[in-house]
Amino acid sequence: GAGVSQSPSNKVTEKGKDVELRCDPISGHTALYWYRQRLGQGLEFLIYFQGNSAPDKSGLPSDRFSAERTGESVSTLTIQRTQQEDSAVYLCASSRTTGGREKLFFGSGTQLSVL
Amino acid sequence: KNQVEQSPQSLIILEGKNCTLQCNYTVSPFSNLRWYKQDTGRGPVSLTIMTFSENTKSNGRYTATLDADTKQSSLHITASQLSDSASYICVVSASRKAGNMLTFGGGTRLMVKP
Repeated sequence: GAGVSQSPSNKVTEKGKDVELRCDPISGHTALYWYRQRLGQGLEFLIYFQGNSAPDKSGLPSDRFSAERTGESVSTLTIQRTQQEDSAVYLCASSRTTGGREKLFFGSGTQLSVL
Repeated sequence: KNQVEQSPQSLIILEGKNCTLQCNYTVSPFSNLRWYKQDTGRGPVSLTIMTFSENTKSNGRYTATLDADTKQSSLHITASQLSDSASYICVVSASRKAGNMLTFGGGTRLMVKP
C-alpha cells in the first residue's frame, strides 16, 4: 500500500479481554514503531522494531503488553487482560531505517475503548 | 529527563490570519527537531525536520525556526486556511539514532474559524 495501514480502526472491548492490534508498514521500511496517545495528551513511545528484532521494549507499560513483527513486515501489538486505563489511540509508524533523520510515516491509529 | 513543552495548548484564529506556535525543549544530546500536523482521527504527518545547523525551514505556508542555543523552535503559519485546523506536534530527536530517542510535545490544538 501507499501508506501505513492499521486495523482495526476502532476496537471496543470489555475489561479483562485480550486484544490484538495490527500494523502494516510501508513496503521496504525496516523500522517500525508503536506509540500510545491518550485523549488530549502527547504520544508515548511503546516499542520499536529494527527488522524483526525489538532492541528497546522499555516503553511497554506492563507485562500485559507485547509486540511482534514477522517477515520485516506486519506487526501486532497484543494487550492481555485489558484495563480501562488502556483506552487510547495506538499509533504505528514506519521509516526506511532507524537513522536519526529518517521521516516517520504514521498510520491513522486504532482507537481502543475498554469498557 | 528529556522534555518538550509546547505553547499555547490551544489557539483559535480567523481564516487568513497568521499565527506562531512555540516549542521549548530540554533534550540531550540534540539531533534534530520535527514539526508534525495531526488532523483529528489521523496519524501525525511530517511538516519539517531541522538539525541544529538549520535556523529556518519552510514548507508552503509553514515556516519553522530553530534556535539551538536557547533550545526553542517556532512554527509560523501564514494566511491560515480552514484546513489548517489540527494539532501541531513538536518532536525532538536525541542522538543520531531514532528508535526510542524521539520526545513528543503535547501539541498545540489550532482551530481556524471562517
